[in-house]
Amino acid sequence: AQSVTQLDSQVPVFEEAPVELRCNYSSSVSVYLFWYVQYPNQGLQLLLKYLSGSTLVKGINGFEAEFNKSQTSFHLRKPSVHISDTAEYFCAVSGGMDSSYKLIFGSGTRLLVRP
Amino acid sequence: GAGVSQSPSNKVTEKGKDVELRCDPISGHTALYWYRQRLGQGLEFLIYFQGNSAPDKSGLPSDRFSAERTGESVSTLTIQRTQQEDSAVYLCASSLARYGYTFGSGTRLTVV
Repeated sequence: AQSVTQLDSQVPVFEEAPVELRCNYSSSVSVYLFWYVQYPNQGLQLLLKYLSGSTLVKGINGFEAEFNKSQTSFHLRKPSVHISDTAEYFCAVSGGMDSSYKLIFGSGTRLLVRP
Repeated sequence: GAGVSQSPSNKVTEKGKDVELRCDPISGHTALYWYRQRLGQGLEFLIYFQGNSAPDKSGLPSDRFSAERTGESVSTLTIQRTQQEDSAVYLCASSLARYGYTFGSGTRLTVV
């Protein structure tokens, strides 16, 4: 079965510093990859997605992610974070050996931006 | 509607009671998903409907959980004989393609 691993449960960072949130997935075939953000007491919002083509994907709020097939990774980055980026971030995958549309999520990474 | 609508937004129930959660997907979306999010945890897949195909029930945690969907419209998730460990936010999502997922705001279920 497919799985998604987010190694860091919490990432504290100072405002205006760069950040990388790590995501690894398990699949030997093509997949679609996603990052979602969940602000406190709110629903899930799509940050960005990788379907095909360029391995560098740009999303909303200045976030970007790079698909690395050889390392089966899809790490999320932002060059300079704001206090308002404090939220839970989820990496997700669909497709692969499981040809259904089912989205499988990682356990999430809490980004805590400090002033 | 413009988005995925879930009702109720909050539900408090006594242990042992049955509950029904409702999801109205975006019109025309053929796929519908239910997820569970326990406090401080990630999203746990429960069940997935795709058109008229048999649903993928592989994520349902026990036989107390069931879900129905009529055609490509409303879905209901039923939890029988609720237990305290069922307390969570239940999220519904719908999609037309494999990557156009839209999530609802969820139903927060509290079992007391």
